[in-house]
Amino acid sequence: DGGITQSPKYLFRKEGQNVTLSCEQNLNHDAMYWYRQDPGQGLRLIYYSQIVNDFQKGDIAEGYSVSREKKESFPLTVTSAQKNPTAFYLCASRRTENTEAFFGQGTRLTVV
Amino acid sequence: QKEVEQNSGPLSVPEGAIASLNCTYSDRGSQSFFWYRQYSGKSPELIMFIYSNGDKEDGRFTAQLNKASQYVSLLIRDSQPSDSATYLCAVYSDMRFGAGTRLTVKP
Repeated sequence: DGGITQSPKYLFRKEGQNVTLSCEQNLNHDAMYWYRQDPGQGLRLIYYSQIVNDFQKGDIAEGYSVSREKKESFPLTVTSAQKNPTAFYLCASRRTENTEAFFGQGTRLTVV
Repeated sequence: QKEVEQNSGPLSVPEGAIASLNCTYSDRGSQSFFWYRQYSGKSPELIMFIYSNGDKEDGRFTAQLNKASQYVSLLIRDSQPSDSATYLCAVYSDMRFGAGTRLTVKP
């Protein structure tokens, strides 16, 4: 089945540790996106990539890093510089601009 | 930065009523808009896509786009308790979303 997979679903980390969230898609989509969602809030764009080996900062990139070494994969690292990392993280992909974006099931990160 | 604003609600309507959700955007060049529905704790799912001025209907859902006034709206007719969710408006050129409107449909 084609789709976009995020793992793990729940993640717990100690404060000060870096953590990497996985996002994989087998839809042959060029563009991939990372969002952060806090309780009762909308989606805020962290990073996006429209082609392999290229990515751009979104609105809240500070404290996060990404890579796009393969078309299928767009991992997000939450670094210790992110002051309030506890949130729900969503990854999305789409074929081209103005086509539907598909979302993964999300990763709920809790930092204690 | 291109802005997308929604009336954050919450919005509560009785079962069977029409729910009206609104979204405004700042970039006059924006062409396409999407409405996503998100149930609590789940990922968003696409419910409507509109790129032309006027109305687009799909079952109980109607999306309306007015490019001159820079707003897009979503009407849900015959609202059902299962429609209770957060509705997110998105400008598709840059994949930025509004804050979402939480809708509750009361039986």
